Amino acid sequence: EAAVTQSPRNKVTVTGGNVTLSCRQTNSHNYMYWYRQDTGHGLRLIHYSYGAGNLQIGDVPDGYKATRTTQEDFFLLLELASPSQTSLYFCASSDAEGARDTQYFGPGTRLLVL
Amino acid sequence: QEKVQQSPESLIVPEGAMSSLNCTFSNSASQSIWWYQQHPGKGPEALISIFSNGNKKEGRLTVYLNRASLHVSLHIRDSQPSDSAVYLCAVIITGNTGKLIFGLGTTLQVQP
Repeated sequence: EAAVTQSPRNKVTVTGGNVTLSCRQTNSHNYMYWYRQDTGHGLRLIHYSYGAGNLQIGDVPDGYKATRTTQEDFFLLLELASPSQTSLYFCASSDAEGARDTQYFGPGTRLLVL
Repeated sequence: QEKVQQSPESLIVPEGAMSSLNCTFSNSASQSIWWYQQHPGKGPEALISIFSNGNKKEGRLTVYLNRASLHVSLHIRDSQPSDSAVYLCAVIITGNTGKLIFGLGTTLQVQP
């Protein structure tokens, strides 16, 4: 079973604050993804990566940066947090990017921007 | 942009009944369709996927895909209270590098 962990699990910050969300997967998967989940919008892809040092833009990238430092670690950065970024954030990983490759999700980070 | 719509929004069934969930997608090039289960406070977990027209059965789950009508359904036989969760339909479009496009989900409640 793939293991994806996220930290912190809950985070409160103020408008304009700097936030880093962390994700680690322990199965040497090549692909890692950051999603946000909002009522009325569902899960939407922010950024993804297919290896250390690689970054691809997702569907809702504005206001977010991401960095993949190692095969295991993928970070999501909010450098000037805004209330619109209050959301539930999920990290996921998959071995490859094909249509038959399962994405395994972490437990999520709940972010509140005041 | 691919659209994935799910119905009903919520479903209540008695324990032991069949639960039927529906999903329509807008792009006939959708390469695969996935169903994920999400319990409160947890991340989504992949349940079952289908790539070809027809049906696929795994345990109590059966999925039917009809590409001509852009429709897929998930049926849970002998529903249990532990099946109570949000069910998310997601599609991957050909050439879209594994990007999942999710629907808003169906909330299933199985009453003992």
